[in-house]
Amino acid sequence: DIQMTQSPSSLSASVGDRVTITCQASQDISNFLNWYQQIPGRAPKLLIYDASNLETGVPSRFSGRGSGTDFTFTISSLQPEDIATYYCQQYDNLPYTFGQGTKLQIK
Amino acid sequence: EVQLVESGGGLVQPGGSLRLSCAASGFSFSSYAMTWVRQAPGKGLEWVSTISGSGDPTVYADSVKGRFTISRDNSKNTLYLQMNSLRAEDTAIYYCAKDAVSGGFDPWGQGTLVTVSS
Repeated sequence: DIQMTQSPSSLSASVGDRVTITCQASQDISNFLNWYQQIPGRAPKLLIYDASNLETGVPSRFSGRGSGTDFTFTISSLQPEDIATYYCQQYDNLPYTFGQGTKLQIK
Repeated sequence: EVQLVESGGGLVQPGGSLRLSCAASGFSFSSYAMTWVRQAPGKGLEWVSTISGSGDPTVYADSVKGRFTISRDNSKNTLYLQMNSLRAEDTAIYYCAKDAVSGGFDPWGQGTLVTVSS
């Protein structure tokens, strides 16, 4: 199975800060990498697909990049409504696997 | 608007069975693969199973293979997950999700809680 390792596991930042989360795959997954946002008490929501493509309707302050084994997810200017846990997910190989999540809090 | 509504969760004893349903609307159901993902209390996301638009093929996580069966009724726009030989470690919120063309899952239903306990 492909292991997805996210860091950090938790992060505290101020409104307006630039926030970056990393995700490392245990083997080359090309760009078959998605990012999800899960607001507390809600279902996950797909934000970014194929490593760098923004889902329709997702604010442009969210972005993603990377390929191969190393990926990053960035919020350019943190907003209060961005408080959530963020997960990466690979779909290069079955079983599809998720990172352990990064819990983002406001400082 | 695409909507997915899960039902069928509840409390079941170890070794018992449960069938989850996911009613879909707002899109051409038979044209899309569908997936179940679960989340144990306070934990991360775990992919469980995916079924193609036609119903074949199906794929499973090793943790549920041989115990869970995914199926769909395209005439009823409904996805199912039959869960047998349930264990305490199957306790989780179970989400159904529509497979996006990109390989992601979007959108997700609100989830249904399955608790396996004596």
